Amino acid sequence: KAGVTQTPRYLIKTRGQQVTLSCSPISGHRSVSWYQQTPGQGLQFLFEYFSETQRNKGNFPGRFSGRQFSNSRSEMNVSTLELGDSALYLCASSSREAPNSPLHFGNGTRLTVT
Amino acid sequence: KNEVEQSPQNLTAQEGEFITINCSYSVGISALHWLQQHPGGGIVSLFMLSSGKKKHGRLIATINIQEKHSSLHITASHPRDSAVYICAVRRGNQFYFGTGTSLTVIP
Repeated sequence: KAGVTQTPRYLIKTRGQQVTLSCSPISGHRSVSWYQQTPGQGLQFLFEYFSETQRNKGNFPGRFSGRQFSNSRSEMNVSTLELGDSALYLCASSSREAPNSPLHFGNGTRLTVT
Repeated sequence: KNEVEQSPQNLTAQEGEFITINCSYSVGISALHWLQQHPGGGIVSLFMLSSGKKKHGRLIATINIQEKHSSLHITASHPRDSAVYICAVRRGNQFYFGTGTSLTVIP
């Protein structure tokens, strides 16, 4: 089975721009969650989708949004980028709605905002 | 105060040593995850626990719900175990993460 695929792997953007990141879950997995990792804050939960519906959301401003498609692929969007948005963005998929499902992580997208 | 506290922050061990990483949390949880992150960023989920103990190869994870504490043990440590180990808990709609334990195993 192919693992979780995140694209692109690396991205450089300028302050004020917007960015869209993509996550393709393991085939058959319907739950996708997104996380931000920075050296200062560590890992933080962004949001979680199940069957095209956002089920949970972390404590992030409205500039961070996401969606899930009928094939379970998910995208997250960050608008009006700030320098502090530079981070590794990870997604994870699971076969059932959490909390009792193991998470399978992608390799992440490293976003640099200049 | 962080909802999840890990100790130690850094750990250096000789190959073959028994290693313990601890995780304490302050909230009621529905599940606890132990994650492993190698340089380069990729994260692997090692265990998901809601009670008791799980074992996979040289890795053992335990959780004590009453004491709000979990431990990750590595027996016969190997240089390839060098990584950052992260404890994560799920409470309701939220995930909370520890800051990680950076483990270096020296040959």
